[in-house]
Amino acid sequence: GENVEQHPSTLSVQEGDSAVIKCTYSDSASNYFPWYKQELGKGPQLIIDIRSNVGEKKDQRIAVTLNKTAKHFSLHITETQPEDSAVYFCAACHSSASKIIFGSGTRLSIRP
Amino acid sequence: ETGVTQTPRHLVMGMTNKKSLKCEQHLGHNAMYWYKQSAKKPLELMFVYNFKEQTENNSVPSRFSPECPNSSHLFLHLHTLQPEDSALYLCASRLDDRNSPLHFGNGTRLTVT
Repeated sequence: GENVEQHPSTLSVQEGDSAVIKCTYSDSASNYFPWYKQELGKGPQLIIDIRSNVGEKKDQRIAVTLNKTAKHFSLHITETQPEDSAVYFCAACHSSASKIIFGSGTRLSIRP
Repeated sequence: ETGVTQTPRHLVMGMTNKKSLKCEQHLGHNAMYWYKQSAKKPLELMFVYNFKEQTENNSVPSRFSPECPNSSHLFLHLHTLQPEDSALYLCASRLDDRNSPLHFGNGTRLTVT
């Protein structure tokens, strides 16, 4: 079955700097890759997603890149702000399955 | 407001109790999910329902019993739980489109004493 690995498990960056979180997946049939942000006391919330027919997608300060050949995808947050502090999860899914498999999460802290 | 509502937000129960978790969505979605989130572990899929039919049971012990009476409501019935079942239980929904995202509720924090 699908396996998703996520690194790093914790990340601390200075406010204003960029943060990068990386994931790898095992099932080459996976074609949908969402990213979620989970704040304290809340459920995960979708922040951006990418489908396998594109290599990059941007939404303001957030971007996601996908390398299908290497089975890697990454989340990039630029100009980080205190409200970016949270736990971030990557996930992978393929169209013939109802399962979305999550990575183990990255706790991002933004230092003032 | 996420569109997916879970009740109660917090629950403390003894190992001999029976309780139920409730999830409700008004997003027009037709697939509903239960996930378990424990400290320092990935989100663990428990059950999936599509159009009220259970399509996934991820080897979950029988002390957890799901119920999906319609596409908008999902329950998780709990009985004779163990302390290691203490966790955040998250409900999610999505369209029956395998390239659509999950929408999560804010979870029920369960403590088994």
